[in-house]
Amino acid sequence: AQSVAQPEDQVNVAEGNPLTVKCTYSVSGNPYLFWYVQYPNRGLQFLLKYITGDNLVKGSYGFEAEFNKSQTSFHLKKPSALVSDSALYFCAVRPTDTGRRALTFGSGTRLQVQP
Amino acid sequence: GAGVSQTPSNKVTEKGKYVELRCDPISGHTALYWYRQSLGQGPEFLIYFQGTGAADDSGLPNDRFFAVRPEGSVSTLKIQRTERGDSAVYLCASSLEGAGEQFFGPGTRLTVL
Repeated sequence: AQSVAQPEDQVNVAEGNPLTVKCTYSVSGNPYLFWYVQYPNRGLQFLLKYITGDNLVKGSYGFEAEFNKSQTSFHLKKPSALVSDSALYFCAVRPTDTGRRALTFGSGTRLQVQP
Repeated sequence: GAGVSQTPSNKVTEKGKYVELRCDPISGHTALYWYRQSLGQGPEFLIYFQGTGAADDSGLPNDRFFAVRPEGSVSTLKIQRTERGDSAVYLCASSLEGAGEQFFGPGTRLTVL
């Protein structure tokens, strides 16, 4: 069975500073990895995905994530945080070797960007 | 274009009642998913449709939960004999095909009193 760990319930950063939201995963075979963002009273919005290829993936709103196979991690990063980035972020994984399409999500990390 | 829509946005019901939650996926998306999100948790998978058929229903918690997608577009999640523990936000997602990224609707907040 696959699992996702987001070790930080909350991350606080000052506007303009770089941000990192951590994610580690456990899955058989090679994974598909995703980051989603959830704003209050709104659905999940897709940010980026890793399927194969370059370990550094660029996504929406200036976010990027680095796939590290040896550390089974897929941390979300942004060089310069904005107050508007404050939201709940979810990492998700999907196996590629079982035919299952369901995403397994982490418990989420709340990002708070202070002005 | 229109995203995934879900109705109702909120549903309050009494313990033991039957409820139906509707999902209208993005036009042309063949894959449709239902997830459940409890407070403070990430979404948990319930069921996945490819076309009209349920390709994976391993996440349905028990036989009170059932979902259909008769024409390969709109889907309805049905919950019988609701319990207070069923209270959650029910999310629907769709994708172009089974391997693509999933696009989520705004969810239906179900409250069972």
